[in-house]
Amino acid sequence: DTEVTQTPKHLVMGMTNKKSLKCEQHMGHRAMYWYKQKAKKPPELMFVYSYEKLSINESVPSRFSPECPNSSLLNLHLHALQPEDSALYLCASSQDGTGYQETQYFGPGTRLLVL
Amino acid sequence: AQKVTQAQTEISVVEKEDVTLDCVYETRDTTYYLFWYKQPPSGELVFLIRRNSFDEQNEISGRYSWNFQKSTSSFNFTITASQVVDSAVYFCALSEEGDKIIFGKGTRLHILP
Repeated sequence: DTEVTQTPKHLVMGMTNKKSLKCEQHMGHRAMYWYKQKAKKPPELMFVYSYEKLSINESVPSRFSPECPNSSLLNLHLHALQPEDSALYLCASSQDGTGYQETQYFGPGTRLLVL
Repeated sequence: AQKVTQAQTEISVVEKEDVTLDCVYETRDTTYYLFWYKQPPSGELVFLIRRNSFDEQNEISGRYSWNFQKSTSSFNFTITASQVVDSAVYFCALSEEGDKIIFGKGTRLHILP
């Protein structure tokens, strides 16, 4: 069983809605990640938090707003999304985000549909 | 620049056959890490293996085995006696110092009963 959980599993939202994706990890990791994955494509990195501080933002539009309330939780706030933002959003965690050798462990993802 | 190539977009084999998924990578670094992940239809990426560039020893885990050859920059993955539950997309990935992990485009594997 995965030790990274994500809610909700599925989300349908309109372009004017505000919603949030949630991720929680139970492995004591200090780094957490958000990825976006379109159908039949590999995951694309969006954000990295290390020790609760945003360390990487891959030039993601401001309609996506990450938040890391503590080392176990990671949120992704969504506002004014576009239909092209429909994708699988994956959360991952790793030891502390300071080393390229770290293994990232992924959650089951949230399938987002923007209408 | 780093790059991971999984030339096989889609593979179909009959259950119990052996199947090898190819992964070729490019890097200028001498120190790097290679990974394989499995993504079943449920969506979660499941970690399978991590290998550093200094460890060329092949690895076997049950029906899974990995062949790392630096001379050809390849890190191939073989499933022996495939089962329907092995049906998934498999990603090979590379990370080197100072860079984020880079995934290949994935190989979709269909195991036919």
